Amino acid sequence: DGGITQSPKYLFRKEGQNVTLSCEQNLNHDAMYWYRQDPGQGLRLIYYSQIVNDFQKGDIAEGYSVSREKKESFPLTVTSAQKNPTAFYLCASSIETGQGVAETQYFGPGTRLLVL
Amino acid sequence: QKEVEQNSGPLSVPEGAIASLNCTYSDRGSQSFFWYRQYSGKSPELIMSIYSNGDKEDGRFTAQLNKASQYVSLLIRDSQPSDSATYLCAVNGPSGGSNYKLTFGKGTLLTVNP
Repeated sequence: DGGITQSPKYLFRKEGQNVTLSCEQNLNHDAMYWYRQDPGQGLRLIYYSQIVNDFQKGDIAEGYSVSREKKESFPLTVTSAQKNPTAFYLCASSIETGQGVAETQYFGPGTRLLVL
Repeated sequence: QKEVEQNSGPLSVPEGAIASLNCTYSDRGSQSFFWYRQYSGKSPELIMSIYSNGDKEDGRFTAQLNKASQYVSLLIRDSQPSDSATYLCAVNGPSGGSNYKLTFGKGTLLTVNP
């Protein structure tokens, strides 16, 4: 089955600790995205990548870092600089037509990050 | 700053009724519009995409787009209790630059009462 997987489902972070959230897709999508969702809020874009070895900051990139070494993988690191990391983190992917139109984004199941 | 506005709800309808969900957006150059459904504790799933003015129907769902009024809506006919969820509207920007980014509204909570 094609799809997007995220792990772990729940993640606990201690003060001052960096943690990495995994996102893998086998849809052969070029573009991948990371969003953060807080209770009662919409999704806010953290980082996105349209092609391997390239990524762009979203609206709330401070305290986060990403890499895109493989087409299938787009891990997100929540650094100790992110002072309020408790949230639901969603990874998404989409095709990239190069025609300047946003395509449908498909979401993974999410990772819930909690601070101890 | 691109903005997407939705009534937070909750919107409560009886089973079998039509549920109407509305979304307005600020960027006049937006070209792509999406409705996602999100059950509590789960990730969003696509309901409908629409790119042109007018109506687009898929089963019990109809998306309506009016670019002149910067308004997109989702109608759910014959609402079922299983339709109870938060509905997210997402809109992209104009051509070029960060056109691939989507801006999401905060969502409308729909409750369908048996």
